[in-house]
Amino acid sequence: DIQMTQSPSSLSASVGDRVTITCRASQGISKSLAWFQQNPGKAPRSLIFAASSLQSGVPSRFSGSGSGTDFTLTISGLQPEDFATYYCQQYNTYPLTFGGGTKLEIK
Amino acid sequence: QVQLVQSGAEVKKPGASVKVSCKVSGDTLTELSMHWVRQVPGKGPVWMGGLDPDDGETVYAPKFQGRVTLTEDTSTDTAYMELNSLTSEDTAVYYCVAIYSGSHEFDYWGQGTLVTVSS
Repeated sequence: DIQMTQSPSSLSASVGDRVTITCRASQGISKSLAWFQQNPGKAPRSLIFAASSLQSGVPSRFSGSGSGTDFTLTISGLQPEDFATYYCQQYNTYPLTFGGGTKLEIK
Repeated sequence: QVQLVQSGAEVKKPGASVKVSCKVSGDTLTELSMHWVRQVPGKGPVWMGGLDPDDGETVYAPKFQGRVTLTEDTSTDTAYMELNSLTSEDTAVYYCVAIYSGSHEFDYWGQGTLVTVSS
């Protein structure tokens, strides 16, 4: 199985800050990587696919980059609704696998 | 806009089976490749299986192979996930997740169904 390692596991930031979350795959996955946002008690929401493409309706302050094994999710100008848990997921190879999550908290 | 509406919460005894449904609206099930993901509260999501969008075959995660069955009823645009031989470790929220025709990424999520396994 491809292991997805996210860092950091938690992060404190303030409204207006720029934050970056990293996701590393245990083997190359080209650009077959997605990012999800999840609020407590809610289903995950798809943010980014193909490493850098925004899903419809996702604000432009979210951006993704990377290919191969190293990927990043950047949120520029944090808004109150962005404080949530974020997961990466690879869909290059079965079984599909998720990262362990990054909890973004208000400082 | 595609919406996935799942069946309600379930409470099961150890050793029992559970079947969760996922009703598609806004399009037809034939335009989607349906997958299932579960999440233990406080933990990350885990993929269980789904329809490969490239060949239409059902693929299962090794962890669940032999214990989970994914089916579809295209006449009602409803997908089903059945999990057998339940233990307390199967207590989780189960999500259906759809990949839209022509893509490979998860596009739409159901609201989740909490399955509690307890004696």
